[in-house]
Amino acid sequence: ETGVTQTPRHLVMGMTNKKSLKCEQHLGHNAMYWYKQSAKKPLELMFVYNFKEQTENNSVPSRFSPECPNSSHLFLHLHTLQPEDSALYLCASSQATGGAGGYTFGSGTRLTVV
Amino acid sequence: LAKTTQPISMDSYEGQEVNITCSHNNIATNDYITWYQQFPSQGPRFIIQGYKTKVTNEVASLFIPADRKSSTLSLPRVSLSDTAVYYCLVGDIYGGSQGNLIFGKGTKLSVKP
Repeated sequence: ETGVTQTPRHLVMGMTNKKSLKCEQHLGHNAMYWYKQSAKKPLELMFVYNFKEQTENNSVPSRFSPECPNSSHLFLHLHTLQPEDSALYLCASSQATGGAGGYTFGSGTRLTVV
Repeated sequence: LAKTTQPISMDSYEGQEVNITCSHNNIATNDYITWYQQFPSQGPRFIIQGYKTKVTNEVASLFIPADRKSSTLSLPRVSLSDTAVYYCLVGDIYGGSQGNLIFGKGTKLSVKP
């Protein structure tokens, strides 16, 4: 148990489906993040939230829509994805956006788009 | 953003000490150095963070020379379970810069019996 829980662990979806990834942390952290890790590629930062407010969007396509209803929960809504969006999606949290003390990552959601 | 350079891969044997070096020639005054470990299909795990000289915790040591243009993660007496990818990140952990959020390719450490 890392303190950051992601569900589901695995997801297979068609290109016309709509699905959501969920991330939850009970560490009292104020910042949360979405990362994408494709096969044999470095982690790519997607979104940053600080105190529920989005502070970074790294040119992510609109078919990925994040939502942060409170500092403990983060969602990634997916729609009309492409096969190249298949990847491991990781959620992380930290006390503040600078990362003092490090980021705590979840185990990720393995997404396959068919 | 301070760019980091690490070896792509390293091999070691069980029981050996492993030192992984990261170069960050343009590190800024307010930047800290942070190391993470990642196993396949899992999220990275924080190992250690430091600013200068030496930092030690229960799993690793971090050595940072006076000019801070490089740093070395030292793993004592590695075991097979230390086989993973190790990432070095450099950024202002109190200023909220993205440097501390950008992961490079990391160093793939393979520990053999």
